[in-house]
Amino acid sequence: AQSVTQLDSQVPVFEEAPVELRCNYSSSVSVYLFWYVQYPNQGLQLLLKYLSGSTLVKGINGFEAEFNKSQTSFHLRKPSVHISDTAEYFCAVSVNQAGTALIFGKGTTLSVSS
Amino acid sequence: GAVVSQHPSRVICKSGTSVKIECRSLDFQATTMFWYRQFPKQSLMLMATSNEGSKATYEQGVEKDKFLINHASLTLSTLTVTSAHPEDSSFYICSAPPTGRVDTQYFGPGTRLTVL
Repeated sequence: AQSVTQLDSQVPVFEEAPVELRCNYSSSVSVYLFWYVQYPNQGLQLLLKYLSGSTLVKGINGFEAEFNKSQTSFHLRKPSVHISDTAEYFCAVSVNQAGTALIFGKGTTLSVSS
Repeated sequence: GAVVSQHPSRVICKSGTSVKIECRSLDFQATTMFWYRQFPKQSLMLMATSNEGSKATYEQGVEKDKFLINHASLTLSTLTVTSAHPEDSSFYICSAPPTGRVDTQYFGPGTRLTVL
């Protein structure tokens, strides 16, 4: 079975500062990794995903993540955050098998203040 | 891009009544759909896997008689919360991978259920 650990439940940062949201996963097989963002009372929006190939993945809104197989991590980064980035961020994992659901981490609340 | 819709977006009901939530894939077919539940400020917990033409698969601890799932077609899955109680109040989200795809899932916007 797969599992996801998001190491920080809350990350407060100032506007224009860099941010890293940490995610570690556990799996005995190869995985696909995802980062989603959720704004209050809304559904999930895909930020980026890693399927294979280059370990550095670029997503929307200036976010990027790096897949590190040896450390089983998939940390999300942004060099300069905006107030509008305040939201809940979820890391998720799935496997290459049809009919398999995403397994989510507990989420990280990113709070950007001026 | 592909869209998944959910209806209703919000529902308030009295304790003891049943509520049906629809999840539709609007421009693709989905043999499988997933139902998640999200409590305030918590993560998404997988409730069940909905399979077109067959019974749903429920996660451990989820009462299949309380949360009835029907996958009537390749574009529609429904979740019925039977005899709802206040503790069933939650945000319910469905997702669907296009049939045959394993690298992509599309999420619905969610349904906020409040049971009085």
